Parts: sequence; C-alpha cells; structure tokens
Amino acid sequence: EVQLVESGGGLIQPGGSLRLSCAASGFTVSGDYMSWVRRAPGKGLEFLSIIYSGGTTYYADSVQGRFTISRDNSKNTVYLQMNSLRVEDTALYYCARGRVGGPRLDPWGQGTLVTVSS
Amino acid sequence: DIVLTQSPLSLSVTPGEPASISCRSSQSLLQSNGHNYLDWYLQKPGQSPQLLIYLGSNRASGVPDRFSGSGSGTFFTLRISRVEAEDVGVYYCLQGQQAPWTFGQGTKVEIK
Repeated sequence: EVQLVESGGGLIQPGGSLRLSCAASGFTVSGDYMSWVRRAPGKGLEFLSIIYSGGTTYYADSVQGRFTISRDNSKNTVYLQMNSLRVEDTALYYCARGRVGGPRLDPWGQGTLVTVSS
Repeated sequence: DIVLTQSPLSLSVTPGEPASISCRSSQSLLQSNGHNYLDWYLQKPGQSPQLLIYLGSNRASGVPDRFSGSGSGTFFTLRISRVEAEDVGVYYCLQGQQAPWTFGQGTKVEIK
C-alpha cells in the first residue's frame, strides 16, 4: 500500500527551527516527485515546496530562503527543514507524492501540526 | 507566479442536483505536449486532501464518474453531475504548469 506518514510538528517559538519528516512506503521517494503543502487555520491550501526525482527543488515565495526540502533515499523519507519560523507559519503541514502528468498529488499524508507562538 | 481564481467561493447544493466550480488562470496552463497541467482536489472535513482530476480532465483512480473536469488554457470547470452528501468539503484547483505551483482559493460546498 502506498502511504505517507508525517512527523516532527509541534509548538515552537517565533524565530525557531523545526524539521518535518515524511516517511514513505509502497514506493520510492527518489522515483517520483515529493511536495509539501500546508493549510493555515481558516485559510486554503498553500503549496510550499517540491523536490523532483533528479533533485531539483522549488519553493513558494513565502518560504524561499527559510525552508529547505531534502530527501534521504536510504530511509525513503523526505524532509522539510523550517528556519526563522513566524507566527504565520502556523498550519497543518502535508506531504504528498507527485507523479507524471502532475502535479497529480496522490496520496497525501495525514498532516503534522506546527504551531508558532510565544 | 500564476494566480488561480475560483468561483464561486461557496456553494449550497440540493442532493441529486448538479454543481460546477470554475478555475481561471492568469496564464495558460496548456503545454506544447497538448496537456493542461491543472488538477482538482477535495478536502473533506477532518481529512487530508484527495486528488479528483489531473491534467484538466482525467479522473483519478477510485473517483466516482459523477465528477468530471473540462477546459483548456486559462479556464477550467469541475462538474458534479449529481451531488451526494459525501461530496461536502472544500474544492481546490492546483496548477503545475509553472513552478512554484499554486492553488486556487478554494470553494466550500455544502448540502442544503
């Protein structure tokens, strides 16, 4: 079964850092492209970042320079390193697999909650 | 960045009746290969988003055939032929024509 499980969320003070993990099963993260998306309270979905099979990465303007996507093929896991966190980064963070004919994001993980507050 | 504008932003539908949501793009989503890089997703209450339609008009695996997508270039439509109670949630379009990808604002669908 193709599955994604996120972890690493929590309560963090403004200016702090967190690393989110997205563990994949049923497929290899290096063979497809992987994406991070978030949904802030009361708002819609926001694309954050993508890492292609070849390693190319892209970021939304809102997180460019603060967030970094990476993957560990040996652990079949994708990460989102989040630095200089702001109150407005509070959200439920999802990872999702993208496929040829994309974005075509499917499946999605269950999400991990990040709360940035003093 | 490409901006996607959905309308309406909310919709109240009687079960069994049809519904449609539009998504307008600030730039063409049609690539030279003939494909439109536009997806539709549904996020049901308390659940993760799920893929409904990819490449503008291709139904994802397991998606009921009452859902259909159409359009090309800068204007796209998601249609539900007969709305059921389980279709409530927020619908989003997502473009993959140009990085960074971008979502529409979302359309909340409720049942009357």
